[in-house]
Parts: sequence; structure tokens; C-alpha cells
Amino acid sequence: GAGVSQSPSNKVTEKGKDVELRCDPISGHTALYWYRQSLGQGLEFLIYFQGNSAPDKSGLPSDRFSAERTGGSVSTLTIQRTQQEDSAVYLCASSVGRGFNEQYFGPGTRLTVT
Amino acid sequence: DAKTTQPPSMDCAEGRAANLPCNHSTISGNEYVYWYRQIHSQGPQYIIHGLKNNETNEMASLIITEDRKSSTLILPHATLRDTAVYYCIVRVRNTDKLIFGTGTRLQVFP
Repeated sequence: GAGVSQSPSNKVTEKGKDVELRCDPISGHTALYWYRQSLGQGLEFLIYFQGNSAPDKSGLPSDRFSAERTGGSVSTLTIQRTQQEDSAVYLCASSVGRGFNEQYFGPGTRLTVT
Repeated sequence: DAKTTQPPSMDCAEGRAANLPCNHSTISGNEYVYWYRQIHSQGPQYIIHGLKNNETNEMASLIITEDRKSSTLILPHATLRDTAVYYCIVRVRNTDKLIFGTGTRLQVFP
């Protein structure tokens, strides 16, 4: 079956511009997660959705970052007024439900802010 | 979540068993041990998890010491495709986020 998909796979943007990153979770997965991975670093949790609500936004680094999920499926991560330190791979994962075993990760979106 | 300590890198010959250690000396009774791996330029992949009993699946075996302060992930017959960064994570079953450390970079050589 289809896994988690993310788009675009690569995004180059100028400093100060807004970007939107999309995640399509595995069908039927109610939990969705966003992480980011800076060059040579481990993964950093950003936000978690259960259905359309986000009970844990603790990892969002600033108010320039926001995310939404609609219809319990697709999620969009928006970064406003991008900065060079936002350059990273943004990874999305989904799981069957809260606290379930595996999180299935997508291939990520590589964001480069010039 | 409990902190984990892993060696930064390990080598393993193809066809041999790869034994990846993890220390989690501050683990509490309701925390599980999870292993994920990340192959270059891909998202992380779940491998296995356990609470206190040893676990085995088609990918690997997980050996947890009796005091639960450490564990070992075993890849019984490593292949070149097992070259990846392996992350040991401990977390409470009903918490949602994964907290990744720096992991062990396993290099399998021919």
C-alpha cells in the first residue's frame, strides 16, 4: 500500500518568503507528526496531530511556524518569513493511533533558504 | 523521556551479526525501548520495540538486560543495505513524540 508522501521533495526559497510543505499520511492513520532534521543532526519533534487537533505543539521553534490538518488526513506545515536557519529536511510521520507502535515516515522535504 | 547513550559509530562485516548497544540507565518502569534506523536520505524506519522481554521480528532481535538499564539490537546477518544510523529511543507507551538522540552510524563492509 501507499506510504506517507510529502511534497515538494525539494524547495529552494529566498529569505523572507513563506513556504508550505505538504504531508499525505497513510490512509486511516489518525496520528500525524512533523519533525525536522538539520544537516548532520538528529530529528527534532515539531508538532503532533490527533485527527484535526494538535494536542502537542511544543516543538514549533517560533510563531513563524504553524501547521494545520484538515479532514483528518492531509497536513500542511507553513513557515512564514523564512530564515536561513530554517534550512533542513522536514519529515512527516503517521501512525495508526495515539501511542501506537510504529511511526511511518515519509521521504521528507528538503528546504533550502538562500 | 529517559536519555540514551549509544556509540557514535560501528563497523560490521557483511554476513556477520551486528550488535548495537544502548545504555538507558535512568529508564523507568513504564518506558519502552524503541529502535529506528535511518538510511541515508530517507525517513526513519521502525525496527523493533520492547518493554522487558527479549523481542524478535523479521528484521532484528532486541535483548534487554534484566535491570532494563541497557539493551542490544542484533542484526543477525548484516548486509550492505543495513548501513544506516540506528537510533535507540525510550518512551512512555502513550506519549506521542519520538525524541531522537544522535544514534550509532553502522557501516557494513564487504
